[in-house]
Amino acid sequence: NAGVTQTPKFRVLKTGQSMTLLCAQDMNHEYMYWYRQDPGMGLRLIHYSVGEGTTAKGEVPDGYNVSRLKKQNFLLGLESAAPSQTSVYFCASSFSLAAGEDEETQYFGPGTRLLVL
Amino acid sequence: RKEVEQDPGPFNVPEGATVAFNCTYSNSASQSFFWYRQDCRKEPKLLMSVYSSGNEDGRFTAQLNRASQYISLLIRDSKLSDSATYLCVVNIGGGFKTIFGAGTRLFVKA
Repeated sequence: NAGVTQTPKFRVLKTGQSMTLLCAQDMNHEYMYWYRQDPGMGLRLIHYSVGEGTTAKGEVPDGYNVSRLKKQNFLLGLESAAPSQTSVYFCASSFSLAAGEDEETQYFGPGTRLLVL
Repeated sequence: RKEVEQDPGPFNVPEGATVAFNCTYSNSASQSFFWYRQDCRKEPKLLMSVYSSGNEDGRFTAQLNRASQYISLLIRDSKLSDSATYLCVVNIGGGFKTIFGAGTRLFVKA
């Protein structure tokens, strides 16, 4: 099993450009998440999904959109990139939530480093 | 006040030392607790869950104090390979909310 994969690994954008980050998991997990990680701060949840076709806002959703058309994929879009979106983006998945510690364990992808100039 | 607070460190310890990290959380409705490990420029990975009765996994011991709302991680006989950032994670029940602490950095030196 590959677990959670993310593409691309690294990207440089100019302000105003758009891009899509792709996350894929092969563990048949229901829940998927997008986080951003900035120096000195914990992981902050951008958007999440509790199943195919459903998405919800997290803590810092502004400037991002997501889609989950297939259970195994979760896409994060930046419509008009801004320098404040320079960050490391992590995708994660879990079997469920509030079903016990094992089922709640989140498995992370390797991350995408995004630089917006 | 942050919902999950950790001492950022860094903790610099020699090999073989015992080191302890604490984490406090503010929401008394928190239901499940975890420690994740994150190596430099890598993704976080689950180190261990934290059970109410406390739990041990080899050299690692995790404890939960609900009354005082803190979680601890004890590492005995530190190895060079333990050098990493340790993230405290709290799941709050009644809805979807997982909070990650900013992490505590550990450097183990020979």
